[in-house]
Amino acid sequence: EPEVTQTPSHQVTQMGQEVILRCVPISNHLYFYWYRQILGQKVEFLVSFYNNEISEKSEIFDDQFSVERPDGSNFTLKIRSTKLEDSAMYFCASDRGRETQYFGPGTRLLVL
Amino acid sequence: GIQVEQSPPDLILQEGANSTLRCNFSDSVNNLQWFHQNPWGQLINLFYIPSGTKQNGRLSATTVATERYSLLYISSSQTTDSGVYFCAVCETGANNLFFGTGTRLTVIP
Repeated sequence: EPEVTQTPSHQVTQMGQEVILRCVPISNHLYFYWYRQILGQKVEFLVSFYNNEISEKSEIFDDQFSVERPDGSNFTLKIRSTKLEDSAMYFCASDRGRETQYFGPGTRLLVL
Repeated sequence: GIQVEQSPPDLILQEGANSTLRCNFSDSVNNLQWFHQNPWGQLINLFYIPSGTKQNGRLSATTVATERYSLLYISSSQTTDSGVYFCAVCETGANNLFFGTGTRLTVIP
C-alpha cells in the first residue's frame, strides 16, 4: 500500500538554526499538509498546499515557516530560525481531496 | 474554529473488555477520521467516516452527522490496542483536519 514518507525521523538543532523537514506524499495525491504535535498535546494544523500554492494556514504558521514543492515528489517545511517552542513532532499528510488523509510517520524535532 | 471534544480522556481496561470512545463536534463536517497513535508516535488511520457505520475486525465506528458525534467501538481489547485515539474533523468547505484532545487507552493483561 502506498504511504507517506518523511525524513529525517529525528532532528536535533540549536536555537536560531534553520531546519528543513522533508516529505514524499503519496504519488497521485493532490493536497499536502503539515501538522505538528507538541509532546503530550493534540495534533495541530499548520498549512495545506494545493496546485503549487498555500491553500490554508493556521495562526501558528507565521513568517518563519515556509513550504515548498521543489520537484514532482518532495514537499518540504522550512523553519527559518528555530525557537525552543518549535520542539515537536511534525507530520506530513496527503490526500486526493475530500477523502482519507494519510499521515507520514513524523519527524521529531528537538531545539536546544 | 470548530470544536472537537473527546471522552473519556483516559480509559483503563482489562484485556478482553469492550469500550466505546466518543467524539463530539460543534459544526457540520465533510470529513471525520479516527486515528490510533501508537507508542512510537505514529498516527495510524482507523476509519474515514463522515457519516454512517463501518467495521474493521474488532473495531467499528459510527458517525451521526446530524447530531454531531461519532463513536468508536473496540471489542475484545488487546494490550496492543493501548495508545491514544484521536478523532479529527474537517469543517464543511475546508480540507485541514481539526483534532480532538484524544482518549488515552491502557489495556492491562
